[in-house]
Amino acid sequence: AQSVAQPEDQVNVAEGNPLTVKCTYSVSGNPYLFWYVQYPNRGLQFLLKYITGDNLVKGSYGFEAEFNKSQTSFHLKKPSALVSDSALYFCAVRDKVATAGNQFYFGTGTSLTVIP
Amino acid sequence: DSGVTQTPKHLITATGQRVTLRCSPRSGDLSVYWYQQSLDQGLQFLIQYYNGEERAKGNILERFSAQQFPDLHSELNLSSLELGDSALYFCASSPSGGQVHEQYFGPGTRLTVT
Repeated sequence: AQSVAQPEDQVNVAEGNPLTVKCTYSVSGNPYLFWYVQYPNRGLQFLLKYITGDNLVKGSYGFEAEFNKSQTSFHLKKPSALVSDSALYFCAVRDKVATAGNQFYFGTGTSLTVIP
Repeated sequence: DSGVTQTPKHLITATGQRVTLRCSPRSGDLSVYWYQQSLDQGLQFLIQYYNGEERAKGNILERFSAQQFPDLHSELNLSSLELGDSALYFCASSPSGGQVHEQYFGPGTRLTVT
């Protein structure tokens, strides 16, 4: 069965420091991977996706993510955190064998707090 | 603004009642997805429609149903409501075509069942 795990419910980082939000996945075959961000009382916003090719994917707001097939991971990173990055982050996966539509599987979310 | 609209923003109703949530996808998007977000269950995929037809089904209860109309807007019907149905309900849309597309989420409908 397809699944996504975000092992940390909460991540705290000081402003200006690098941040990492972790995600591991389990799918049959190669995955399509996504990161979304959710600000309070808002819908999810797309940050970036990995489909194929370069393992390092760059996205919106200076975020990037590294696909690691051997570790089945897709960690979200940013070199220098901003207070405005404080939000809830979701990792999602969709497998390539979309025989039953395009079902996405979301992680449970990681709450990121950037401390001034 | 994602371009996906959802109405109403808030809904308060009593147990046993029935409600309808409405979603208009981004212009040109043929796929519509419904999700339920609650504190204890996280973001749960409910159902997907593509150009009027059901394409994928997730953890949708039998008391819930959905449809997508010819103008591509979608409605999620929740009946015999229970306290546990209180949650944020999101609609998302994505384009069609051969590429793998991300989803664009609406602002959500907050349902409170009392």
